Amino acid sequence: EVQLVQSGAEVKKPGESLKISCKGSGYSFTSYWIGWVRQMPGKGLEWMGIIYPGDSDTRYSPSFQGQVTISADKSISTAYLQWSSLKASDTAMYYCVRPRTGYPNWFDPWGQGTLVTVSS
Amino acid sequence: DIQMTQSPSTLSASVGDRVTITCRASQSISSWLAWYQQKPGKAPKLLIYKASSLESGVPSRFSGSGSGTEFTLTISSLQPDDFATYYCQQYNSYPITFGQGTRLEIK
Repeated sequence: EVQLVQSGAEVKKPGESLKISCKGSGYSFTSYWIGWVRQMPGKGLEWMGIIYPGDSDTRYSPSFQGQVTISADKSISTAYLQWSSLKASDTAMYYCVRPRTGYPNWFDPWGQGTLVTVSS
Repeated sequence: DIQMTQSPSTLSASVGDRVTITCRASQSISSWLAWYQQKPGKAPKLLIYKASSLESGVPSRFSGSGSGTEFTLTISSLQPDDFATYYCQQYNSYPITFGQGTRLEIK
């Protein structure tokens, strides 16, 4: 079974750094893109960016370029989303997603989500 | 960026009703459209891909249609489990974009 399992909820202060993770299993991690989707409280879905772990090719939505960094460690089949300086507006649920085949594509599966809360 | 606009934003309906949700793209996306269902506190679930292909395991009361710029998701006979929020997503081109969502609530 193809699965994405994300790291647990985080509570951080503004200005702090953070790296959340997403571990893929049940498939060849280096052969599929893996990406991130943000959902702010009570709001819709926003695609942030995507990485191909096989060669680390990374694409960002213009809305998120420069705001976050997407990376992957293929030795442990894990993708990451990181912030160097969090803002209150980064408070959201973050989902990792895998396109069914290539990119761009529809997303399935989705991780269970990681809730990030940024508050002083 | 391709803008995806869903209508209505909220839909009130009863069990057994036939409902249709519309998604319009700001430019042609051929059939590169997916639909998702999301329940509170859960990750979205894929229902339809390539505009009209039903994902395995999804009940046949769900169907999708359309191409180009106008698409619909139809639920032929609403069941209690269907009350949720629905999103369309285009994957014709980068950046991938979603509709703003349609909340389907019990009348």
